[in-house]
Amino acid sequence: DAGVIQSPRHEVTEMGQEVTLRCKPISGHDYLFWYRQTMMRGLELLIYFNNNVPIDDSGMPEDRFSAKMPNASFSTLKIQPSEPRDSAVYFCASSLQENIQYFGAGTRLSVL
Amino acid sequence: GESVGLHLPTLSVQEGDNSIINCAYSNSASDYFIWYKQESGKGPQFIIDIRSNMDKRQGQRVTVLLNKTVKHLSLQIAATQPGDSAVYFCAETYLRYGKLTFGQGTILTVHP
Repeated sequence: DAGVIQSPRHEVTEMGQEVTLRCKPISGHDYLFWYRQTMMRGLELLIYFNNNVPIDDSGMPEDRFSAKMPNASFSTLKIQPSEPRDSAVYFCASSLQENIQYFGAGTRLSVL
Repeated sequence: GESVGLHLPTLSVQEGDNSIINCAYSNSASDYFIWYKQESGKGPQFIIDIRSNMDKRQGQRVTVLLNKTVKHLSLQIAATQPGDSAVYFCAETYLRYGKLTFGQGTILTVHP
């Protein structure tokens, strides 16, 4: 079975550029989560969706970050403009109802 | 300036020993707990979960213990193997909330 699929696996960009991270959740799952992991702050929840609707975006750092879920099988996390402090590993996870969250392999973002 | 990161607890064991990883959770209202394992370069992987109406749950080589009185969770790994080397996270939530809060993690190193 395919798990949560994230792309790209690695992204290197320059400060000021737009970055788009992509996620395909596990088929049939109705919750989707975006996390950020850094050495400084550990694993932080940024935003989550239920049935494609954003439920809680209180973890989104600032207006430069936005997330969308146009359908049940696809979500994006966009950073515009990107800054060096956005460098981190970004994870997407999905779950069926309020149960176990399954994580993707992550996108390692480096903003130079 | 000098960056300061999280100082994760570490546990070093010999192959074949039993390991115990501890976690203090923060919310007395939490009623669902999960342990995740994260290997280098990968996303967190589900190990075992427990609901607050239980104080012990066993899986294959792993046991989770829950002490609600002192808000403490532990993960026991029997006959630890080098492949168990990873960072282990506990996570808490209350059901129907959907949002997990992760602990800072513990680094487990298993020496052959």
